[in-house]
This record gives sequence, C-alpha cells and structure tokens, in this order.
Amino acid sequence: GENVEQHPSTLSVQEGDSAVIKCTYSDSASNYFPWYKQELGKRPQLIIDIRSNVGEKKDQRIAVTLNKTAKHFSLHITETQPEDSAVYFCAASINTGTASKLTFGTGTRLQVTL
Amino acid sequence: GAVVSQHPSRVICKSGTSVKIECRSLDFQATTMFWYRQFPKQSLMLMATSNEGSKATYEQGVEKDKFLINHASLTLSTLTVTSAHPEDSSFYICSARATGPETQYFGPGTRLLVL
Repeated sequence: GENVEQHPSTLSVQEGDSAVIKCTYSDSASNYFPWYKQELGKRPQLIIDIRSNVGEKKDQRIAVTLNKTAKHFSLHITETQPEDSAVYFCAASINTGTASKLTFGTGTRLQVTL
Repeated sequence: GAVVSQHPSRVICKSGTSVKIECRSLDFQATTMFWYRQFPKQSLMLMATSNEGSKATYEQGVEKDKFLINHASLTLSTLTVTSAHPEDSSFYICSARATGPETQYFGPGTRLLVL
C-alpha cells in the first residue's frame, strides 16, 4: 500500500519567515495530495490540495508543489504568522471512486515565534 | 458548506462497556465516511471506510467485531467501541466525502477515555 513520509517532524520559524514542509509518497498511481492543518484538540482542516495533473498551486500565503517524477510534494507558507502554529499533515490518495482513501504523513509541528 | 458534526465530543466510560459515536454530514450527502484514530502527538490512522448501505472495509489490524461501524444513511455513520478497554482511549475522528470529489471533511473528533 501507499506510504507517505513527512519531514521535518518539528519546525520553528520566526514570524514573517517562510516555512517549508516536505512529503514523499511511494505509490506512483497516487493522484491527489491534500494538506491539512490541525490545531491542538481540533479537527484537521483542509488548507490546500493538488492533483497530479498540476505542478503547483497557490492560495494567498500558501503554496504546494508536486514533483511526480520524484514522488514528492511540498507545502510552502510565506510570511508566517503566530496563528499558523499548528500540526500540518500531508496525505496522498489514489482516486478510484468510492474505494479511494487517504494515507497521512506523520505530521509536522510548526511553531511560529514572535 | 461541507460541515461534519460528531457526537459526543468527549466520553468517559468504564472498562467493559460499549460506546457509540455518531458522525453526521450536515449539508451534503456523504457517500463514503471514514473513521480514524489518533493517539497523542501521532498521525491519523485510518480504521475503516464505510459506504452507505454496505459493510465497512476495515484496515489491517482493526478488529471489526470490536469496532462496529454502521452507515445506514447518506448523512449518518456510527462507530461503536464494544467492550472498551483502557488501551482504546484515544481521539476518534470521522470524515465524510461526497460522490465524485476526493475532498474529505473531518468531524471535530471524540475524545474517549476508558477507565
């Protein structure tokens, strides 16, 4: 089955700096890659996603890049703010209709310091 | 849109009892619902996938007789933890997905503590 690795496990940046989180996946058939933000004790919230027919996607301060050949994708957060502090999870899935399911990375704890 | 609710948010029970957790999609029809378990400072681990009107598909290592899943309608799935033990204490989160789109929307989670 699919295996998703995520690095780093913790990341501390100063407010205003950029943060980059990287994930690799094992199954070349995976075609959907969402990123979730989870605050302590709360539900994961989708912040951005990308499909395999696209190499990059941006939404304000958040961007995701995908390299299908290398089977890795990255989350980029620019101009970080204290409210960006949370745990971020990448995930990958093969969209086969009702049978598709997400495989999550191990998470990155982002701390944005003042 | 795409709101998923979960009830209860927190439950404490005695060892040996059963606990039922409800997951509802409030503003869309969820063809597929997923149940995850998350231990402190760990990732989300998929327990099972349920499609409306059919039996759930359990991940390897998850006991289907212990974690009973029912997906009787397009807006409701339930997870029953039977004969709960302290090691079942965890954060249980459901997610729901409509037909077609891959996006999963998560419920707020249920924190289960088994004494």
